[in-house]
Amino acid sequence: SAVISQKPSRDICQRGTSLTIQCQVDSQVTMMFWYRQQPGQSLTLIATANQGSEATYESGFVIDKFPISRPNLTFSTLTVSNMSPEDSSIYLCSVAALNTDTQYFGPGTRLTVL
Amino acid sequence: GQQVMQIPQYQHVQEGEDFTTYCNSSTTLSNIQWYKQRPGGHPVFLIQLVKSGEVKKQKRLTFQFGEAKKNSSLHITATQTTDVGTYFCAGPNSGAGSYQLTFGKGTKLSVIP
Repeated sequence: SAVISQKPSRDICQRGTSLTIQCQVDSQVTMMFWYRQQPGQSLTLIATANQGSEATYESGFVIDKFPISRPNLTFSTLTVSNMSPEDSSIYLCSVAALNTDTQYFGPGTRLTVL
Repeated sequence: GQQVMQIPQYQHVQEGEDFTTYCNSSTTLSNIQWYKQRPGGHPVFLIQLVKSGEVKKQKRLTFQFGEAKKNSSLHITATQTTDVGTYFCAGPNSGAGSYQLTFGKGTKLSVIP
């Protein structure tokens, strides 16, 4: 399984600001995903981070709000833009194991927006 | 779109009692996966079931995949406090090569010592 790190692990931000979350994997992976998990809730897929091209967003999520970069096969960033208290959540990156859809998750970033 | 439903949402058991969570998909699945998320932690992959009617065991955990490949269950025998957490089932989204998963809402297990 891949070892995944995320930075920051947590942050408290002011309304209207933006936060960029980094996800680093210890090996090259094809598929990387970004999820949101609100307190006590399940995992909601935000987007698939594609290397060398624009991310693929799920219904209800847009690039202007959640821009994603994937400059190479081991790194991705998710930015939460123009934050509001409703964006308070845990943000998780995950990677799919080679040639399977089994996923491995990073430790998550706990975001609180005041 | 594909829906994955899980019941119950919460379960409180006395230590030593058994526990079962059930997962149902609106569509036939190529496989079903189970993840565990400890309080304050992130989801961790437990197992993947692929074959119709498949049963797999991991120590006190027994996983089943239904004959129609639309439902699954996780059974824990003689729960321990280390079993505390939320158990999610997940099924692959339809569409070749998507590698995306749809997660159930999870069953949160509390174990009373």
